[in-house]
Amino acid sequence: KQEVTQIPAALSVPEGENLVLNCSFTDSAIYNLQWFRQDPGKGLTSLLLIQSSQREQTSGRLNASLDKSSGRSTLYIAASQPGDSATYLCAPWLGGNNRLAFGKGNQVVVIP
Amino acid sequence: DTGVSQDPRHKITKRGQNVTFRCDPISEHNRLYWYRQTLGQGPEFLTYFQNEAQLEKSRLLSDRFSAERPKGSFSTLEIQRTEQGDSAMYLCASSSPQGNFFGYTFGSGTRLTVV
Repeated sequence: KQEVTQIPAALSVPEGENLVLNCSFTDSAIYNLQWFRQDPGKGLTSLLLIQSSQREQTSGRLNASLDKSSGRSTLYIAASQPGDSATYLCAPWLGGNNRLAFGKGNQVVVIP
Repeated sequence: DTGVSQDPRHKITKRGQNVTFRCDPISEHNRLYWYRQTLGQGPEFLTYFQNEAQLEKSRLLSDRFSAERPKGSFSTLEIQRTEQGDSAMYLCASSSPQGNFFGYTFGSGTRLTVV
């Protein structure tokens, strides 16, 4: 069973600082990994999908890296803004009929 | 297509009542998933459909829970004789026939409160 751990569980940063969110998973035989954002009381919004053959994926201020062999992914958010306050979830996929496994998320608060 | 739709957004029910939630996936997605999420936790897998076939059910899905996907289109999740422990966010997601190769798309969820 895939186990996902996200560190730190929660963090608060002043506006403008860069954010570094870490995700580790126990089974490294993944096909891809998806990062999601979740606002309080809302559903999940997909941010980035990084395939196992990729080392990183970028979208605007977001950059996700993947080290498949060590079972780690990192989400970087540059120049944080108060609107970035949310919980960020990573979800690795083992392929086939396997479904996404989730950690508890990184809860981020960006202070204006 | 506007994405994955879930209805209702919120449901408050008395303990012991039955509730039913609906999920409309992205039309070209043949895979549909139900997850449950409690406060401070990540989503937990409940069940998975490929077209109309229910291929996997989690042990979290007790006998009081049933899910259907008639004709491989929308899906319903029914909870019978609700208990306070059923209070959670119920999330639906869909993906293409290639599984998660192109990513899951989630709906906005249905928040259930059992009083």
